[in-house]
Amino acid sequence: AQSVTQPDIHITVSEGASLELRCNYSYGATPYLFWYVQSPGQGLQLLLKYFSGDTLVQGIKGFEAEFKRSQSSFNLRKPSVHWSDAAEYFCAVGGGATNKLIFGTGTLLAVQP
Amino acid sequence: NAGVMQNPRHLVRRRGQEARLRCSPMKGHSHVYWYRQLPEEGLKFMVYLQKENIIDESGMPKERFSAEFPKEGPSILRIQQVVRGDSAAYFCASSPLPTRDRGYEQYFGPGTRLTVT
Repeated sequence: AQSVTQPDIHITVSEGASLELRCNYSYGATPYLFWYVQSPGQGLQLLLKYFSGDTLVQGIKGFEAEFKRSQSSFNLRKPSVHWSDAAEYFCAVGGGATNKLIFGTGTLLAVQP
Repeated sequence: NAGVMQNPRHLVRRRGQEARLRCSPMKGHSHVYWYRQLPEEGLKFMVYLQKENIIDESGMPKERFSAEFPKEGPSILRIQQVVRGDSAAYFCASSPLPTRDRGYEQYFGPGTRLTVT
């Protein structure tokens, strides 16, 4: 079955510290992988995506993610977190015939001053 | 270039009433997707539509829910005889024709928060 697992429900980091959010997927074919960010009461904004090629992808707001096929992972990283990064982050997999996205349950990030 | 538009942003309905949620895709996008986000959960796919055509409705509840994307006008998600369990955020996304080169990106609207009292 196709699924996405985000094992961390809540994460708290200090401003300026590095960040890594975990994402594992189960998908029968070559996955198309996405990270979205959702601020409270808002829609989802695409941070970055992976389809093929270089397994380290760069996104907006200084985020990057690395696709590791052997580990079925697509972890999101940022070297120095800003207070404005506090939000909920969703990993998603998709790209099948009907293009539907399968989302993880999200990781809520809090940033301490 | 306006993004995906959804209205209303908030909708309150009493049990048994009908809810109509509207979605206007981004300019140039002909594919629309609806997702539902229940409290404390991620987004769940509901339906995928092109103009005048339902492509995949595998995530739609069997009863009371329907969706359309007419030739003219916005896409509509309709929930008849709402129950408390329908309270959720409903998100619409749009994309151009999905191709490998475009990468199957979907762009999301701000959502409609439905509350059933």
